[in-house]
Formats: sequence, structure tokens, C-alpha cells
Amino acid sequence: QQQVKQSPQSLIVQKGGISIINCAYENTAFDYFPWYQQFPGKGPALLIAIRPDVSEKKEGRFTISFNKSAKQFSLHIMDSQPGDSATYFCAASKANSGYALNFGKGTSLLVTP
Amino acid sequence: DTGVSQDPRHKITKRGQNVTFRCDPISEHNRLYWYRQTLGQGPEFLTYFQNEAQLEKSRLLSDRFSAERPKGSFSTLEIQRTEQGDSAMYLCASSPRSWENTIYFGEGSWLTVV
Repeated sequence: QQQVKQSPQSLIVQKGGISIINCAYENTAFDYFPWYQQFPGKGPALLIAIRPDVSEKKEGRFTISFNKSAKQFSLHIMDSQPGDSATYFCAASKANSGYALNFGKGTSLLVTP
Repeated sequence: DTGVSQDPRHKITKRGQNVTFRCDPISEHNRLYWYRQTLGQGPEFLTYFQNEAQLEKSRLLSDRFSAERPKGSFSTLEIQRTEQGDSAMYLCASSPRSWENTIYFGEGSWLTVV
């Protein structure tokens, strides 16, 4: 059972554009929502994370928007660059499971020059 | 910080053989996680340790899989009687202290069962 649903599956954005990836969850016990970036042949790397007590978090060109009532969160990549081309995973976890991450299926992002 | 280290990075084995993967977490990280990832999918949780105690196991962790963390430092994941469906990347991750939840992943160990 997929606990975190992610869309779109793939995304093509022109250099300088905004990339937007969306995720939805059902389990209201989740209290930590990270995004990971993964390049081919590499392990996932933490990009940015948010807790449900804030609605937005920004780090450089990356912003998480969080809507607790809708149980949705999204990643916005501003001024997308070809080097951002990678697979992005949203995830959710909760304290009483050791914060073990439940991942979405991933979004393959291609930023064209 | 040297990062989470996994060994071997690649392993090709014949069906029915046993394989063992090792993970060295970031120093002083007391939580250690194992995940499995197949092509085009997100990582799937297998199990996690807090120090040497294995606190949770996924239903994905069949009887052929066993994980240990004997001294609360490095961990091993053994797969017995491998099957072709076991072909995947096995990811180890660690996190510092029990109240923090930032999880850092290693580069993974690729397993191909032929």
C-alpha cells in the first residue's frame, strides 16, 4: 500500500523555469516530510524537509509548500538548471516508527538547456 | 563526516547463493536503516536499528533476509538462497540521536541475481 502518492511521474522543464512536484499522504500521524534527490547510480540525498507546523520552507532555489488540511505537500524548484536533472522523491515519516521513511514513487526531472 | 559507507557496491551472484552486505554508518549515528530500491521505484523500508536493537521489520523482510548490528556500529544484511526477485539496490542509511530524524543514505549495494 503506497502511503505517499507522488506526481507527476516525469517532468520536463526549460532552463530557468519552475519545476513543481506534488505529493499526498493519508496517515495523519506523519510528522516529518523530506524531499530527496537521487542521481543515477547514487543513493538519495536529502534536499529539504518540513514539519507540519509550518506551511512553507525555503532553502535557496528549493521551496516546500505544505497544506496540512489537504494532506498535501509540494516541492518547487525555482530557476531550474540542467544540473537539477535527477529523480526526486517525497517521503513521510512518524516518530513512533523510528522515523522510517515512506517514499513516493519518484519524479524524473529533465531540465533542458 | 565520511558518510554512510556500503560494501560491496556491486555483487553478481547465482540463484540460490547467499550474499552479505555491510554498512558502516556515520560515526555516532545511533539509528541505522536498510532499504531496498528497484529500478524506477522509490526506496522501500526493510528494517531499522537503534543502537544494536532491531526495532522494526517490514513485511518485505522475508525469512531469507536477516540483519544484524552486533555492537551498535556497523550492520550486515544477509540474503540466503537468493532469488532473481532479490535483484535490487540495497540502501543503508543512518541518523543521529534518537530525537532527530534527518536520515542520510549511503551509495547503495547493487545486487544482481542470475
